[in-house]
Amino acid sequence: EPEVTQTPSHQVTQMGQEVILRCVPISNHLYFYWYRQILGQKVEFLVSFYNNEISEKSEIFDDQFSVERPDGSNFTLKIRSTKLEDSAMYFCASSDGLGLNEQFFGPGTRLTVL
Amino acid sequence: AQSVTQPDIHITVSEGASLELRCNYSYGATPYLFWYVQSPGQGLQLLLKYFSGDTLVQGIKGFEAEFKRSQSSFNLRKPSVHWSDAAEYFCAVGPNQAGTALIFGKGTTLSVSS
Repeated sequence: EPEVTQTPSHQVTQMGQEVILRCVPISNHLYFYWYRQILGQKVEFLVSFYNNEISEKSEIFDDQFSVERPDGSNFTLKIRSTKLEDSAMYFCASSDGLGLNEQFFGPGTRLTVL
Repeated sequence: AQSVTQPDIHITVSEGASLELRCNYSYGATPYLFWYVQSPGQGLQLLLKYFSGDTLVQGIKGFEAEFKRSQSSFNLRKPSVHWSDAAEYFCAVGPNQAGTALIFGKGTTLSVSS
């Protein structure tokens, strides 16, 4: 069964460093998403992406964040200068876009900012 | 404001006993409702979804959920819990439109005792 994959599973970085989180969505899906979950809190939407453009973004998704589909398979989330409060589990998701909002999630990347 | 409330942070159920996990939502438009499950080290797996039609929906792994518009609830049930059901369960709501954000509850952790 096709699935969303994410790398790395765990990333440790120093405050102020740039990180790139990688995702491979399901191959025939057209919409891509990033969510995050700070420990003990809700899963929160960051951004959705379609046709090489951001479709929707939340207040969390500020200028520190960017997304990119650098090739036909990968979808990345870049955090330019990490802060302690960026420590969280980051989930990538994708959907096929056939009019429904059923999103398939990856296993997540745990980001720890020291 | 749009939100999802899962009142129970942690529930322990004996193996073989029935289970009900509560979910209440606040949403301005017609909601598209989901239950996801997350086992340790895994992504969010979709258990079931509801948009319209029969208010009792069946999902994978023997789970079902009932949509009650008057109570703004979408509770998850299982008649007989198995030890492998121990996981974290998330209720989510969103519009029926690809590329849009899902709003998640904080999750309920289910423990199963023998």
